[in-house]
Amino acid sequence: SQTIHQWPATLVQPVGSPLSLECTVEGTSNPNLYWYRQAAGRGLQLLFYSVGIGQISSEVPQNLSASRPQDRQFILSSKKLLLSDSGFYLCALKQGGSETQYFGPGTRLLVL
Amino acid sequence: DQQVKQNSPSLSVQEGRISILNCDYTNSMFDYFLWYKKYPAEGPTFLISISSIKDKNEDGRFTVFLNKSAKHLSLHIVPSQPGDSAVYFCAASSNDYKLSFGAGTTVTVRA
Repeated sequence: SQTIHQWPATLVQPVGSPLSLECTVEGTSNPNLYWYRQAAGRGLQLLFYSVGIGQISSEVPQNLSASRPQDRQFILSSKKLLLSDSGFYLCALKQGGSETQYFGPGTRLLVL
Repeated sequence: DQQVKQNSPSLSVQEGRISILNCDYTNSMFDYFLWYKKYPAEGPTFLISISSIKDKNEDGRFTVFLNKSAKHLSLHIVPSQPGDSAVYFCAASSNDYKLSFGAGTTVTVRA
């Protein structure tokens, strides 16, 4: 079965600093990959999704970017963090032929 | 625009009783619906799903009902257990790679 790894688990960063969150998956090939953010007390907001290497779709204009350099690697980045970037970031995958998305353990980001 | 709505932010239920979580949607193109359970500081866990060609799907203590004409689905948990205390998200898909999520309902199961 597939496994999703996210790191770090928790991150505290100053405003204006760069960001790189990594998601890697195992036990699957050519999955769709997703980045979500859950702000405090809110639902899940889709940020980016990717259907293949180098293919990124952005859902909302923001201070973040995503890249997929390898089939099983999805990276979320920022050049300069804002206070509003604080939240819980989740990576998810969906295999072909299924509508179900499976989530990783998440990264808690606090921007101070 | 919130296409999936969970209008009850919280639900408190006694252990052993039934928990009923509700979800409404506006997009008639949605054809697949899912429920996820989430504990604090963890990723959501898939619980149960239903295709639009069905009106009921059951898995152990969890049953999802779909009313397409009303654009409404519900999740029943019977009997409720303390470990069911979590946030529950409703999600919907129109086969375009994406899921639309509701804001979540926090369930508290009282002993």
